[in-house]
Parts: sequence; C-alpha cells; structure tokens
Amino acid sequence: AQSVAQPEDQVNVAEGNPLTVKCTYSVSGNPYLFWYVQYPNRGLQFLLKYITGDNLVKGSYGFEAEFNKSQTSFHLKKPSALVSDSALYFCAVRDNAGKSTFGDGTTLTVKP
Amino acid sequence: DVKVTQSSRYLVKRTGEKVFLECVQDMDHENMFWYRQDPGLGLRLIYFSYDVKMKEKGDIPEGYSVSREKKERFSLILESASTNQTSMYLCASRKTEAFFGQGTRLTVV
Repeated sequence: AQSVAQPEDQVNVAEGNPLTVKCTYSVSGNPYLFWYVQYPNRGLQFLLKYITGDNLVKGSYGFEAEFNKSQTSFHLKKPSALVSDSALYFCAVRDNAGKSTFGDGTTLTVKP
Repeated sequence: DVKVTQSSRYLVKRTGEKVFLECVQDMDHENMFWYRQDPGLGLRLIYFSYDVKMKEKGDIPEGYSVSREKKERFSLILESASTNQTSMYLCASRKTEAFFGQGTRLTVV
C-alpha cells in the first residue's frame, strides 16, 4: 500500500529565513508527487507537482520541491519565508492507477 | 479561474438526519472525490468517481453514500448522521492535480 509521511507536525521559521517542509513516500511504480497548501477555513490549493523530468520543480508563491528517488523524498522549500506563508501544508502521492494518498499535514508558522 | 463549489460552508444537523453535501465543478473533469479532514488525521478518502454514474469506495465509506448523475456534480449523502461524522468535508475534482472546494464544516448535534 502506498503511504506518505510528513515527519514534522509543526515547522517554525523566522521571516526571511529559508524553510523546508519534509515529505517521504512509498509507492509502487513511478510516483506522481504533489504539494498543497491550506489557509485557515479554506480548501486545499495546489502548489506544485512532480510527474517526470527535472528533479527540481518550481511552483506557486516562490516554492520549490526536489524529487529524490533514492531517498524517496519530495521536500518543499522556499529560500526566504514570508509571514503570509503560514499555513497547513500537505504532501500527496499518486500511483499509476490514479489512487492518491495524502500526508497528515505540517503546520508552518513564520514569525516576523 | 477553475472552480469547485460546495453548496454550504457551515452546516448543523441533528443526529439521525439525512444530510446531502453537494459539489459542482466547471472544469469538465471526469474524476471527483470526497474527503473528510480531521485534526491530526490528514485527508481521508470517503468515495470517488471516475465517471458519471460510477462510484468507488475510498478508505472510510461506512455511513456514507454518493451520487453522480451528471459529470459536473458529485453529491455526498450521510444516510443517518451521527456525532462522529462531525468534520470538515472537502470535495475535489482532478485531471492531474486536484482542485478543491472551500469545504463544508458539518456539525452533528
């Protein structure tokens, strides 16, 4: 069965510092990998995806993620955090059959 | 802008009531999904549909049913609401990445 692990419930960073939100996955075959963000009392918004090609994927709001096949990881990164980046972040993996699995989410807090 | 619209943002229902949550998408997607979101449990898939009149059980289908009579509309039905179904319900449609509705926060009292 496929799975997604977000090992940190909470990540705290200071504004202007780089941020990393971690994600590891397990899936049969080639993975489709996604990051979504959820602001308070809102639905999830798509940030970025890896399907194939370059291991470094760039997405919305200055976020990027690196696909690492050997470590089965897809960590979300941003060079300089903003207070407005504070939100709940979900990593998701999809297999070739189309089944998606989401992680439990990581709450990012960026302090001024 | 692409859109997934859920009919209600907040609902309060009584135990035993039949509850309908409606979701409409305007992207002509074949795939639609219903999730519930609870603190610390992430998103759990209730039901999904890959085509009109087609439905498949997700990970937690007990106590729920769905209806997909038209491509753009996917309804979630709680046959007899219970307090443990108090949750945030999220609808999504998908081609590659998923597009989510705003969510319905359902409280069963």
